[in-house]
Amino acid sequence: AQSVAQPEDQVNVAEGNPLTVKCTYSVSGNPYLFWYVQYPNRGLQFLLKYITGDNLVKGSYGFEAEFNKSQTSFHLKKPSALVSDSALYFCAVRGLTGGGNKLTFGTGTQLKVEL
Amino acid sequence: EAGVAQSPRYKIIEKRQSVAFWCNPISGHATLYWYQQILGQGPKLLIQFQNNGVVDDSQLPKDRFSAERLKGVDSTLKIQPAKLEDSAVYLCASSLGTGGYDYTFGSGTRLTVV
Repeated sequence: AQSVAQPEDQVNVAEGNPLTVKCTYSVSGNPYLFWYVQYPNRGLQFLLKYITGDNLVKGSYGFEAEFNKSQTSFHLKKPSALVSDSALYFCAVRGLTGGGNKLTFGTGTQLKVEL
Repeated sequence: EAGVAQSPRYKIIEKRQSVAFWCNPISGHATLYWYQQILGQGPKLLIQFQNNGVVDDSQLPKDRFSAERLKGVDSTLKIQPAKLEDSAVYLCASSLGTGGYDYTFGSGTRLTVV
């Protein structure tokens, strides 16, 4: 079975400072990894994904994430946070073995960027 | 490109009533998913369709939930009868193929059961 852990319910950061939202995963075989953002009363918006290749993935709105196979992690990062980045962030994994191609999500991390 | 359309946006019903949600995926997307997102939790897959066939419904409470995707395009998810614990946001997503790396989500339907 595949699973995702987001150990922090909330992350607070000052605008202009770097931010990190943590994610670890468990899956059989090589994973597909995703980050989504959710604003209030909105659906999930895709930020970035890791399928294969370079471990550092760059995505939308200046976000990036680093795939670390040995630590089974896929932390989301941004060099300089904006107040508008405040939202709920979900990490998700899809295993490459087994039937179907469903995404398994973490419980989410609320990011709060303050002035 | 038009996104994944869902309706209604909000629905309030009493327990034991029935409710239906509709989803129209991106044109040409063969795979359609319904996810349930309970407050404070991540989305959980309820059912996955490939064209009009069911690929995975292992987490669908089949005694009260049903879903169909006639003609392999739009889909409906029904709950009958609803329970208080069904209060959640129901998200529809679609992807072009079976690769499982190009999901697009709709805005969701927020269901409140009172």
